[in-house]
Formats: sequence, C-alpha cells, structure tokens
Amino acid sequence: AQRVTQPEKLLSVFKGAPVELKCNYSYSGSPELFWYVQYSRQRLQLLLRHISRESIKGFTADLNKGETSFHLKKPFAQEEDSAMYYCALSVYNQGGKLIFGQGTELSVKP
Amino acid sequence: ETGVTQSPTHLIKTRGQQVTLRCSSQSGHNTVSWYQQALGQGPQFIFQYYREEENGRGNFPPRFSGLQFPNYSSELNVNALELDDSALYLCASSLGGTSAKNIQYFGAGTRLSVL
Repeated sequence: AQRVTQPEKLLSVFKGAPVELKCNYSYSGSPELFWYVQYSRQRLQLLLRHISRESIKGFTADLNKGETSFHLKKPFAQEEDSAMYYCALSVYNQGGKLIFGQGTELSVKP
Repeated sequence: ETGVTQSPTHLIKTRGQQVTLRCSSQSGHNTVSWYQQALGQGPQFIFQYYREEENGRGNFPPRFSGLQFPNYSSELNVNALELDDSALYLCASSLGGTSAKNIQYFGAGTRLSVL
C-alpha cells in the first residue's frame, strides 16, 4: 500500500536549534517525494522535491531508499519557519496524484 | 501569471443537499487535481482531470464527481451531502498531466460545513 507517515504532529524547538521533520513512505516503485509547507493564513506551497536536490530557505531533504525516509532538515531554525509541513509522495501511472502525510506543525520559539 | 483560484471560500449546506465547488487553474496549466482535507489531517486525493478527462480517482464514492472545461477550469460536485463531508476542499493545478514529477500548485481552498 502507498502510504506516507509523519510520526510527529507537533515539533517545538528554540530559534537557532537544529530541526528534523521525519517522513517515512511505503511505495513499491521509484518514489517522487515532495515537502509542502503551509504558513499561517497562506495556501499550501511546495518547499522542495527530492529530484531537485536543492536547499530552499536553508532546508534540505535526502531520500534514503533503504530506510524509505525523506526527512526534512535545517541546521538553525528561524521563527519564520513556524508552519505546517507536509510530506507527499507522487504516484506514477496515477496522474501523479499526491499522497500526503498527516503533517507536522513546527513551532520555533524565540 | 495568475495563481489557482477557488470559489466560494466558505459554504454552509445541510445534509442531503448538493454542492458545486469551482477552481480556475494557474495560467498555462492543463491538469487539475482535487483534494479533501479534514481537520487535523493531510489532504486526500479525490480525483484529477487532464484535458477534460478524469485521469485518476481516489477512494471516494461516486457522489463525488467533477468536470474540467476547455479553458481547464474545473468543478467538484458532491451530491447527497453527509456530515463527514465537512472539510477544506483544495484544488491544485499542474502542467503535463500524467507525470509524477509535476509540481502541483494549490488554491486557498473552499471550507465546506455540512449541518
């Protein structure tokens, strides 16, 4: 079964601390994985995707096929990083439908 | 470049009624996907339309139906509303149809409350 699991509903850190938002997936094929973010009162937007292998707003995510994980990391959290983060799996041969995890709320305290 | 727009922003209906939600895709995008997001959950895929044809469907009953128009805008129709249909309905547009690599751009959503 295709599934995305984000084990933490809420992650609270202090400004300047490292952040790791966990994402595990279940998929038999070659995965296309994304992180989407939703800031307060804004729409869901793409943060990064694994095929781009880029750092956006200081965030990176590495696909680990052995551990079926795609954790999102940032070495030094900022208050403006506070938001809901969703990990999503895009499914081949099904129109690229996105399967989302339940989301992790990141709260960065001053 | 205009983004994805959805209307209305909020809607209140009673059980058993029918509802139509609308979505205008981002300029140049030919694919529209619809998602249902219940409170505290991630979005769940309802279906996708590519060039006016349904191109994949999630685990939703037939009373959830849709349309895509020649200008690539789309409608989501829900018949015989149930209380559990209360949710945020998100529309996302993308370019390229079937590729899993496509980036989907989301609208702000329609908040549906069923009483």
